[in-house]
Amino acid sequence: DAGVIQSPRHEVTEMGQEVTLRCKPISGHNSLFWYRQTMMRGLELLIYFNNNVPIDDSGMPEDRFSAKMPNASFSTLKIQPSEPRDSAVYFCASSPGGTENTEAFFGQGTRLTVV
Amino acid sequence: DQQVKQNSPSLSVQEGRISILNCDYTNSMFDYFLWYKKYPAEGPTFLISISSIKDKNEDGRFTVFLNKSAKHLSLHIVPSQPGDSAVYFCAANILNSGYALNFGKGTSLLVTP
Repeated sequence: DAGVIQSPRHEVTEMGQEVTLRCKPISGHNSLFWYRQTMMRGLELLIYFNNNVPIDDSGMPEDRFSAKMPNASFSTLKIQPSEPRDSAVYFCASSPGGTENTEAFFGQGTRLTVV
Repeated sequence: DQQVKQNSPSLSVQEGRISILNCDYTNSMFDYFLWYKKYPAEGPTFLISISSIKDKNEDGRFTVFLNKSAKHLSLHIVPSQPGDSAVYFCAANILNSGYALNFGKGTSLLVTP
């Protein structure tokens, strides 16, 4: 298996622009997570899907952030409009899900820079 | 509020010696704990875990100790090697809850030759 695949690996955008991050989870995994890593807050959970349904989006910072999972093999995290404080590394992770939510497998991340 | 805390942002250890990384948690419902390792420009990768029914789990050079009464766990690496230099994240979860992993801020370990 190729693991969790994220694209792009790097994104540089201007303040106010829309940014879309993409994720393909491991085939057969039912849970998908979006995390953001910053120096100040470490790895913080943004949103969590189970069977394509958002379960917990309490970590989404503001209405500028939205996430979708239209099917079991694809998810997007969108920021519109982007701001410099959104600069961070965004990770997508997946796990087998169900009641056995133990280990999560991470993608390589997208480093976002908003200038 | 941070439910999983790693109070040491960084740690430097000489090669061959023991590295001890610490983690505290506040939620007494947590019953499954994990350590992840992260190299620069890569995603975190699972290292070792422990269930709350145990107080120790060992995998080669890596051992995790859990003290439930103190709500504390630690990762011991012995002997430390330069390739162990990475950021280590502690994570906690409640099994069968459907919750996502709750991570600490990480500890950057540097193992010097």
